Amino acid sequence: EAGVVQSPRYKIIEKKQPVAFWCNPISGHNTLYWYLQNLGQGPELLIRYENEEAVDDSQLPKDRFSAERLKGVDSTLKIQPAELGDSAVYLCASSLRGNSPLHFGNGTRLTVT
Amino acid sequence: DQQVKQNSPSLSVQEGRISILNCDYTNSMFDYFLWYKKYPAEGPTFLISISSIKDKNEDGRFTVFLNKSAKHLSLHIVPSQPGDSAVYFCAARPGTYKYIFGTGTRLKVLA
Repeated sequence: EAGVVQSPRYKIIEKKQPVAFWCNPISGHNTLYWYLQNLGQGPELLIRYENEEAVDDSQLPKDRFSAERLKGVDSTLKIQPAELGDSAVYLCASSLRGNSPLHFGNGTRLTVT
Repeated sequence: DQQVKQNSPSLSVQEGRISILNCDYTNSMFDYFLWYKKYPAEGPTFLISISSIKDKNEDGRFTVFLNKSAKHLSLHIVPSQPGDSAVYFCAARPGTYKYIFGTGTRLKVLA
């Protein structure tokens, strides 16, 4: 079974520029998560999807962050404009159901200069 | 407010010995707990889980113990191998699908 695929693996941008991350979950997994991981910290939830519906986006900074999951499969997370403090690893995860263990992708390491 | 705490940032163990990683939590509503292992430049990988109705779950060299009264869980790795060197995260779920992660413990298994 193919795992969760994320791209790009690394991204370096200047502050105030836009950036987008892409995630392809494990086939058949209805639940998709975006997590943020700062250095030395554990992953923190940004948004959770059940199929194409965002069911928990309470932690998503909506002034600059947006996400979508068209057709309930792939998902894109966007930041516009990026700030220095957004430098982190952005992890995508999926699960078969909401109460199943999460399977993570390898993440996108974002550096904002 | 850190609801899931891993108070030991790092741990070193000799190959073949037992590794014990600890995790404390504050929310009595947590009903499901997981351990993840993370290698550098990779995403966390699911290791083992335990439901709050159990106090022990075992999978090969990995055993998780849950002490609900103390709000404490631990991961035991026996015997430890150099390939186990990684960062270990515990995570908990408060009856919903929102998993809350600890800050991780870096395990180093010495050959």
